[in-house]
Amino acid sequence: DVKVTQSSRYLVKRTGEKVFLECVQDMDHENMFWYRQDPGLGLRLIYFSYDVKMKEKGDIPEGYSVSREKKERFSLILESASTNQTSMYLCASTSGKADTGELFFGEGSRLTVL
Amino acid sequence: GQNIDQPTEMTATEGAIVQINCTYQTSGFNGLFWYQQHAGEAPTFLSYNVLDGLEEKGRFSSFLSRSKGYSYLLLKELQMKDSASYLCAVVDSNYQLIWGAGTKLIIKP
Repeated sequence: DVKVTQSSRYLVKRTGEKVFLECVQDMDHENMFWYRQDPGLGLRLIYFSYDVKMKEKGDIPEGYSVSREKKERFSLILESASTNQTSMYLCASTSGKADTGELFFGEGSRLTVL
Repeated sequence: GQNIDQPTEMTATEGAIVQINCTYQTSGFNGLFWYQQHAGEAPTFLSYNVLDGLEEKGRFSSFLSRSKGYSYLLLKELQMKDSASYLCAVVDSNYQLIWGAGTKLIIKP
């Protein structure tokens, strides 16, 4: 079975803390994505990566960075968490580009910043 | 701007049929996806339409009209497990995915 695993389902952090969200996929997919999901809004793309050590900004990259040192792992970093980053974060991967290929999602990491 | 519209919430009865609509205004069109997301779980792929018409897959069907900027997801013989959010996403001219906010479907016995 295809699997995308996110390291933490629930996190509570304080304003200013550094936050790491990790995502691992076991499907040998080239392409990985980080989205945030907020009530009443569609998924918004933060960053994506089409290859190891490669990253591209999505629609809302401000306040975030990413790391892809290995093909299977894509990490999202909040250098200094703020309350407006309280959200559900979803990682996804696909073997093709997201525009034509099925996206496989992790179960999400719900982050609360106090 | 780019916009995907879906109803926020719908209610239907077990065993019945429900149609979830999605209208879009995007810069170009290169396909439309439907995903299902149960509460607290990952979204999962349901369908992909790029040509006009109806695609049937078991109890679920998806329809697309590119000229009208319109799609719907049709769920037949509703089961309680179909209670979930249904996400519509359009691929625009830059091959970027634009997501709707999702429709929460509540199934009642």
